Amino acid sequence: GNSVTQMEGPVTLSEEAFLTINCTYTATGYPSLFWYVQYPGEGLQLLLKATKADDKGSNKGFEATYRKETTSFHLEKGSVQVSDSAVYFCALSTDSSYKLIFGSGTRLLVRP
Amino acid sequence: EPEVTQTPSHQVTQMGQEVILRCVPISNHLYFYWYRQILGQKVEFLVSFYNNEISEKSEIFDDQFSVERPDGSNFTLKIRSTKLEDSAMYFCASSESGGRIDEQFFGPGTRLTVL
Repeated sequence: GNSVTQMEGPVTLSEEAFLTINCTYTATGYPSLFWYVQYPGEGLQLLLKATKADDKGSNKGFEATYRKETTSFHLEKGSVQVSDSAVYFCALSTDSSYKLIFGSGTRLLVRP
Repeated sequence: EPEVTQTPSHQVTQMGQEVILRCVPISNHLYFYWYRQILGQKVEFLVSFYNNEISEKSEIFDDQFSVERPDGSNFTLKIRSTKLEDSAMYFCASSESGGRIDEQFFGPGTRLTVL
């Protein structure tokens, strides 16, 4: 079946460090891929998305590229801020089902 | 900016009791969803709803669960007889149209605690 695997957290970084959160997926057909972010006490917010192979999603300095050959959608940011501390979820949806399938989430803690 | 709202933010109930979780989706959205997240686990899909009927449901969504759109604005999830394992954060979401590329907008969640 369809699934998403994320790197385990927590990830602890100093401010201005480079961030990578790994995400790989298993899916039939051509899924859309998403990164959602959950700040403390809030709901899930869409951070970025990519809907076909080689697409790059970007928002707020975060980027992720849809790699079909490696079935990956890794999240990157060149210089993290304390305000980026949150839980990040990788997710997919497919043409056969509009539900989102989530990874387990990765908690990011950025220290000043 | 339009947003999805959920009430209550926290619900505590006794095992065997019925609970109703409420959601107000974004007004021009047509597709509605419920997800849940048991503490420390993945966010899991429960059910999707369109045109006043369930379009898809997961194995979790058994006969104890039901959804309803009682009026033009609310979308509810009812659990008839709660179990300890129903304790979780429940998220409502809505999207303008269905489809794999469409963004789902999430509410802040209701934390359900079953004692």
